Amino acid sequence: DAGVIQSPRHEVTEMGQEVTLRCKPISGHNSLFWYRQTMMRGLELLIYFNNNVPIDDSGMPEDRFSAKMPNASFSTLKIQPSEPRDSAVYFCASSFDPDILRGEQYFGPGTRLTVT
Amino acid sequence: GESVGLHLPTLSVQEGDNSIINCAYSNSASDYFIWYKQESGKGPQFIIDIRSNMDKRQGQRVTVLLNKTVKHLSLQIAATQPGDSAVYFCAEKRRIQGAQKLVFGQGTRLTINP
Repeated sequence: DAGVIQSPRHEVTEMGQEVTLRCKPISGHNSLFWYRQTMMRGLELLIYFNNNVPIDDSGMPEDRFSAKMPNASFSTLKIQPSEPRDSAVYFCASSFDPDILRGEQYFGPGTRLTVT
Repeated sequence: GESVGLHLPTLSVQEGDNSIINCAYSNSASDYFIWYKQESGKGPQFIIDIRSNMDKRQGQRVTVLLNKTVKHLSLQIAATQPGDSAVYFCAEKRRIQGAQKLVFGQGTRLTINP
């Protein structure tokens, strides 16, 4: 398996623009997680899905952030409009465990977002 | 407030020596803990986990110890190798405002000296 696939790997955009990050989880995994990593705040869980259904989005920082999972093989994280403080590395992870937050999560390589 | 934290932000050890990375947590209700390793430019990688009904769990060259009395978690890496150089995160699963959360610590950077 190719592992969790994220695109783009790098994104540079101007403040106010819409940004869409994409993730393809590992085939057969039923949970998908979106994280944000910054030097100041470390690794933060933004939202996670189980069987394509959002379970907990309380980590999403603002209404400017939204995430969807239209099917088992694809998810998006959208920021609209983007702001400089959104600059971070965004990770997608997937797992297969009956207890959603237990077990091994497989992380993608991340998308480095820079908002100028 | 409640948090997951690390005693040491950086740790340097000689190749071949054993290393111990520590993590403190403050929520006695946390029932599951994980250690992740993150190499530069990569996503975190699962190392080992432990449930709160255990005190110790061993993997390949790694051991996680859980002391619930003092709310302390440690990761021991035996016979360190250059490839062990990375940032190590502990994470705990706990309930916040009625929902299960996975909360990560800030990380410890481990450097293996040749």
